[in-house]
Amino acid sequence: DIQMTQSPSSVSASVGDRVTITCRASQGISSWLAWYQQKPGKAPKLLIYAASSLQSGVPSRFSGSGSGTDFTLTISSLQPEDFATYYCQQANSFLQGFTFGPGTKVDIK
Amino acid sequence: EVQLVESGGGLVKPGGSLRLSCAASGFTFSSYSMNWVRQAPGKGLEWVSSISSSSSYIYYADSVKGRFTISRDNAKNSLYLQMNSLRAEDTAVYYCASRSLQLRGAFDIWGQGTMVTVSS
Repeated sequence: DIQMTQSPSSVSASVGDRVTITCRASQGISSWLAWYQQKPGKAPKLLIYAASSLQSGVPSRFSGSGSGTDFTLTISSLQPEDFATYYCQQANSFLQGFTFGPGTKVDIK
Repeated sequence: EVQLVESGGGLVKPGGSLRLSCAASGFTFSSYSMNWVRQAPGKGLEWVSSISSSSSYIYYADSVKGRFTISRDNAKNSLYLQMNSLRAEDTAVYYCASRSLQLRGAFDIWGQGTMVTVSS
């Protein structure tokens, strides 16, 4: 199975800060990588697909980059509603399972 | 409105069974592969199982293989998860989600989740 790792596991930041989260796949997945945001008690919400494409309705302060094994999610200017947990997911192969990363919690500094 | 609505969760004893359902509306259910994802209390997301649009391809996480069975009824726009031989570690919120090839395989539509508690 493909393993996904994320760093950091948590980050404390202030409104207006730039936040970067990294995700690494244990083997190459091209650009079959998605990012999700989850708030407490809510279902995950798709932010980024194909590693760098913004899902419809998602603010442009969110961006994604990377290909192969290394990926990043960047929030250019953190807003109060962005405090949440973020997960990456390999979206490539049924055979490998659609593994999620362990998550990165973004909380208030 | 595009939505997925899960049902069937509850409290069950270890070794027991439960069947979850997921009702789809507002999109062409029969065109999408569907998935179950779970989240144990205070933990991260875990992919559980996937089924292709025509049920030709079915996959499970190792943690549930041989105990859980995914199925779908395209005529009823419904997805199911039959869970047998339940264990305490199966306690989680279970989400159904659609997978979009147009979005490079991302899970674009999620239900609100249904809680399964396995306890004596």
